[in-house]
Amino acid sequence: GESVGLHLPTLSVQEGDNSIINCAYSNSASDYFIWYKQESGKGPQFIIDIRSNMDKRQGQRVTVLLNKTVKHLSLQIAATQPGDSAVYFCAENMEGAQKLVFGQGTRLTINP
Amino acid sequence: KAGVTQTPRYLIKTRGQQVTLSCSPISGHRSVSWYQQTPGQGLQFLFEYFSETQRNKGNFPGRFSGRQFSNSRSEMNVSTLELGDSALYLCASSSAGGNTIYFGEGSWLTVV
Repeated sequence: GESVGLHLPTLSVQEGDNSIINCAYSNSASDYFIWYKQESGKGPQFIIDIRSNMDKRQGQRVTVLLNKTVKHLSLQIAATQPGDSAVYFCAENMEGAQKLVFGQGTRLTINP
Repeated sequence: KAGVTQTPRYLIKTRGQQVTLSCSPISGHRSVSWYQQTPGQGLQFLFEYFSETQRNKGNFPGRFSGRQFSNSRSEMNVSTLELGDSALYLCASSSAGGNTIYFGEGSWLTVV
């Protein structure tokens, strides 16, 4: 349904700590999931993706975990740096379709 | 390789006017999609084009339209602008059959 005045969840972490950003997706038929990072004034930047036949995928300093049973996705960022400050969005899609459904986003703030 | 390019970056229009936004996808990408981002509604899918044909459409009124040219470049048009159309309009592209969708920096539209 529609949301009026989205309240953006916020996560504050100490520099050097690990960050975990969570996301619940809505469509059990979705089979492709993406995490994007959006810095102020910029467009979403692709971070990492995962297909529904996987439950974990690792990239450089990032790991995505997928739990299809509870329709939950998480993004783990290791050794968080100041440059990681941004809003992070999860998005779901059907394989081959080009119609992303986005979560509301989480604002990650790094404390020095 | 150049990313997704959107023009103009910023524009101000008056209620009732119309606006055209332009997008050049990543070289070789044939799918172009458009999203609207507002603080209240988040990121929402507008439509997607592939080989000059609209394949998917989101839940927006008919005032929002788009097209794609033979070189895969795309434009979107909003007619009879309303104050609520003020938003960041994002264009994204992907390769044929590809799942990874890359975004441009967006066009900031303010309707006064």
